Amino acid sequence: KNEVEQSPQNLTAQEGEFITINCSYSVGISALHWLQQHPGGGIVSLFMLSSGKKKHGRLIATINIQEKHSSLHITASHPRDSAVYICAARIQGAQKLVFGQGTRLTINP
Amino acid sequence: GAVVSQHPSWVICKSGTSVKIECRSLDFQATTMFWYRQFPKQSLMLMATSNEGSKATYEQGVEKDKFLINHASLTLSTLTVTSAHPEDSSFYICSAIPGLAPRGEQFFGPGTRLTVL
Repeated sequence: KNEVEQSPQNLTAQEGEFITINCSYSVGISALHWLQQHPGGGIVSLFMLSSGKKKHGRLIATINIQEKHSSLHITASHPRDSAVYICAARIQGAQKLVFGQGTRLTINP
Repeated sequence: GAVVSQHPSWVICKSGTSVKIECRSLDFQATTMFWYRQFPKQSLMLMATSNEGSKATYEQGVEKDKFLINHASLTLSTLTVTSAHPEDSSFYICSAIPGLAPRGEQFFGPGTRLTVL
C-alpha cells in the first residue's frame, strides 16, 4: 500500500461542476502539498498546508490531521482546469516528498 | 513567487552519450534541490537529494555512477545522465527549497524531456 493514496485516479466532469479530489496518507507528516501538472509536464505548486484550510481563487484545500486526509476542491470548474493533480506529503523530520499517484482531471465544455 | 528553471527543456541523444541537465533557482538561494524522474502516466519518483557543497543522497535503486549530481553553488544543481540508454528516456524534474523557506516550501522546475535513441 502506498504511503499516499489519491482518489479518484481519473475524473471527468462538465464545465461548472464542483470538483473534489481526495488524498489520504498513512505516515506522520509535517506538511502536505497539492501540485498541478499540465500536459506539457511543468509542475505548479498550488498549496502547502499543515492544518485547516487554504483558498486561492476557485481552489480550496483542506486537511484533517487527525484523520490523515486532505481534499482539493475546485469550484465552477473550467476546461483550463484539466490537468493532473498530485498530492505530496512531506514526512516528519525529512525534507523530501512522497507523492500520490495523481488524479487526471478532464473538464469538458 | 520563486522561480526554478531547467535547461534544456528537451533533448534527444544517441545511446551511449552523456547528457547534462541544469536546474537553477533564479531569484533565491537553494541549499537543497531534488531530482525526480517521471515515466508516462506515472507520478514523480525521487532520484536524489542534492545539497550545496556536499555529496548527493541517492534513493534506493538509483545508480549514483550513472546519474551524477553536482550542486556546486546555491543556485545551480546539475544532473548528468552518463552513457544514456533508451530506458533512461523520461521526464526529469528538479525542485528547490529556498534557504529561508517557511516550513520547507518547494518550487518545481518545468522539467526536461530526455529521449535516448
